[in-house]
Amino acid sequence: KQEVTQIPAALSVPEGENLVLNCSFTDSAIYNLQWFRQDPGKGLTSLLLIQSSQREQTSGRLNASLDKSSGRSTLYIAASQPGDSATYLCAVITSGTYKYIFGTGTRLKVLA
Amino acid sequence: NAGVTQTPKFRILKIGQSMTLQCTQDMNHNYMYWYRQDPGMGLKLIYYSVGAGITDKGEVPNGYNVSRSTTEDFPLRLELAAPSQTSVYFCASSYSSASGVHTDTQYFGPGTRLTVL
Repeated sequence: KQEVTQIPAALSVPEGENLVLNCSFTDSAIYNLQWFRQDPGKGLTSLLLIQSSQREQTSGRLNASLDKSSGRSTLYIAASQPGDSATYLCAVITSGTYKYIFGTGTRLKVLA
Repeated sequence: NAGVTQTPKFRILKIGQSMTLQCTQDMNHNYMYWYRQDPGMGLKLIYYSVGAGITDKGEVPNGYNVSRSTTEDFPLRLELAAPSQTSVYFCASSYSSASGVHTDTQYFGPGTRLTVL
């Protein structure tokens, strides 16, 4: 059974700091892995999608990497800003299934 | 495109009442999903559909029912509301090729906040 874990559960950093959020999964046979952002009281917005054949994806100040063999993904945020404050969730879809399995998220607060 | 829309935004139910959460997408996606999110937790899959007329259970289907008569709509039905169903409900959709390989992102609706008292 696929399980997704995110560490840390919460993170507070000063503005301008570079930071890394971690996501691990137990079954490496995946179609893809996605990173989402969720603002309080809102829905989820997809940030980056990494296919199983890819090792990383970049969008602006965000870079996500994928290491299937070790069951890990990291989301790197460069030069963090207060507007980056949100909960970040990762989700995987296991090969042969149609179901996304979500982690419990990392709640990020960037202090001005 | 409006994307994924959900109604209502908020609802309070009494124990034992029933209701339907509506979800519509205008992106011609074949896959649709219902999730619930409890405070401080990730999303749990309730039901999903791979196309009109085809639905299947997710991780936490008990107490819920779904139908998919059209590509666009995927309503979620609560028959006998219980306090344990107090949660935020998200509908999502995505596209997958005929081979079933998922290469596209999921698009989420804004959510329905449900309280059962």
